[in-house]
Amino acid sequence: GQSLEQPSEVTAVEGAIVQINCTYQTSGFYGLSWYQQHDGGAPTFLSYNALDGLEETGRFSSFLSRSDSYGYLLLQELQMKDSASYFCAAILTGGGNKLTFGTGTQLKVEL
Amino acid sequence: DAGVIQSPRHEVTEMGQEVTLRCKPISGHNSLFWYRQTMMRGLELLIYFNNNVPIDDSGMPEDRFSAKMPNASFSTLKIQPSEPRDSAVYFCASSRLGQGVYEQYFGPGTRLTVT
Repeated sequence: GQSLEQPSEVTAVEGAIVQINCTYQTSGFYGLSWYQQHDGGAPTFLSYNALDGLEETGRFSSFLSRSDSYGYLLLQELQMKDSASYFCAAILTGGGNKLTFGTGTQLKVEL
Repeated sequence: DAGVIQSPRHEVTEMGQEVTLRCKPISGHNSLFWYRQTMMRGLELLIYFNNNVPIDDSGMPEDRFSAKMPNASFSTLKIQPSEPRDSAVYFCASSRLGQGVYEQYFGPGTRLTVT
């Protein structure tokens, strides 16, 4: 079936760099988005990769490789406030105009 | 911009009662999405509208769920009758059409508890 898989949990220390991976099983898609969700909050949009390569937005970068069916979110200079869940999302084959969200990765930033 | 507005923020009701959740999308956005989030099932799309027209309701769990969008600035999600398994956080999101769907703006959510 079509799905977006992510590690369930990642732990890193403040100031470090962390990479959250997203692999997908689909025969075609149009791009990859990333969302952040703090406990008790709503998902908020972080980035969108329409093309292969790296997109940088401040401390956050997102990468996409269609040939490898793979993308990742890179967070640099981690801060405690980055502790949250991170979701990748894509329009999957036959998905019309709707996003399918990945399983989500809970990031814990420690001192 | 006020962002996506949802009401109520919290709803506690008894099994069998009708529940109505409300959403006001961002002005100028022409796609609206209703999601449900639980620990067990994650973030699920229930239904979405383009230009006020329901496009895909395949995620609606059963006939007890219905959604309407009478105009560009208002949508409702109704559960009748409600059941304890409907307890979840319900999010409304809006975006522009086409590639804009990748950049969705979520409301604060309605936390529904059915006892």
